[in-house]
Amino acid sequence: DAKTTQPPSMDCAEGRAANLPCNHSTISGNEYVYWYRQIHSQGPQYIIHGLKNNETNEMASLIITEDRKSSTLILPHATLRDTAVYYCIVRVGTDKLIFGTGTRLQVFP
Amino acid sequence: DAGVIQSPRHEVTEMGQEVTLRCKPISGHNSLFWYRQTMMRGLELLIYFNNNVPIDDSGMPEDRFSAKMPNASFSTLKIQPSEPRDSAVYFCATHSGVRAYGYTFGSGTRLTVV
Repeated sequence: DAKTTQPPSMDCAEGRAANLPCNHSTISGNEYVYWYRQIHSQGPQYIIHGLKNNETNEMASLIITEDRKSSTLILPHATLRDTAVYYCIVRVGTDKLIFGTGTRLQVFP
Repeated sequence: DAGVIQSPRHEVTEMGQEVTLRCKPISGHNSLFWYRQTMMRGLELLIYFNNNVPIDDSGMPEDRFSAKMPNASFSTLKIQPSEPRDSAVYFCATHSGVRAYGYTFGSGTRLTVV
């Protein structure tokens, strides 16, 4: 079973920041949080991951709370192309990624 | 780098026939995963390999499903006999083992069993 909870859907205006929340209250100390997105029927695309510290790359920023029980993925300037299902995943053990139901983000003009 | 290559992209077969899905991982990636996606069940992990060895096949739904990885550059997922409820998109993903990087997914094979 997935170890994360996400809202089923969210809307965001184009050009604005999209903040996608994720709860992972049962996360263990050495488990990473991963974010992926899936655009239509394509394969999931890796976005970012982190353990304790906040992370930033060319696609997004990841903010992890100090107690590590929740995190937020931030797309700083959402575009129509960012419309997708976003998955927050806690990596199980050393290898497995177990996907939940994700958040369907709709970016509108 | 061509990424993870899956074939065929689409497969339509009749119930009872054998189906073989193929995956070529990224060179140097030593972990390979097979996922299945349906509207009802979402993305399910079926099986994964590490260094060509099956590590966890607890997600394989039935004995009709089998997966092999004969070498580091090729894996197959076979369904025999196929049934209409096997209709889904099957994804292959690979990973280098370096935690700094994420998993790379292929474009998937859309299987329709009629």
